[in-house]
Amino acid sequence: DTEVTQTPKHLVMGMTNKKSLKCEQHMGHRAMYWYKQKAKKPPELMFVYSYEKLSINESVPSRFSPECPNSSLLNLHLHALQPEDSALYLCASSRPGQENEKLFFGSGTQLSVL
Amino acid sequence: EDQVTQSPEALRLQEGESSSLNCSYTVSGLRGLFWYRQDPGKGPEFLFTLYSAGEEKEKERLKATLTKKESFLHITAPKPEDSATYLCAGFTGGGNKLTFGTGTQLKVEL
Repeated sequence: DTEVTQTPKHLVMGMTNKKSLKCEQHMGHRAMYWYKQKAKKPPELMFVYSYEKLSINESVPSRFSPECPNSSLLNLHLHALQPEDSALYLCASSRPGQENEKLFFGSGTQLSVL
Repeated sequence: EDQVTQSPEALRLQEGESSSLNCSYTVSGLRGLFWYRQDPGKGPEFLFTLYSAGEEKEKERLKATLTKKESFLHITAPKPEDSATYLCAGFTGGGNKLTFGTGTQLKVEL
């Protein structure tokens, strides 16, 4: 199994809503990532979890709240988002410290904030 | 500041017309140079990792090479199904950071 599964695939929310994005992998990877990608732009790193601990927060606004409940799951809680937060949100995982470390990406959640 | 630059931004090829995509980088503590393919609305799909200057890797019609300052993705006799955005990224193990270039949008026409 070399899959990173993200749900939902599409999400439309209002600026006052609270929603969560979910990511799951069963490859035994101990590093998990959230990236944000706007149309025709490269993915931008938001958060990195290493061994279930937050290791990188790229100065992301607090309306985005990550959570890593266990080594297979990664959540991104969303609250009071702005229309400019509309983007493709990508989850990735890797096996940190491995010689041939590479990031595996999920298909993403396309988020629209109205 | 880590920087990855790709050229050209867009490339249109006829089927069978070989070409190369360029990725130049200045990444401190670089542990690997990654190439990904991304289709519209999908996540990036891993293609190659290159670790040291002189290294080459091949997969079907794609061949990636690495020098001390840049990487090339050579596409030999492309087909329409090779149409996608190709992203390169520098990986720094300290902090597990992947810095992406802006991508090359490739379109292969019949």
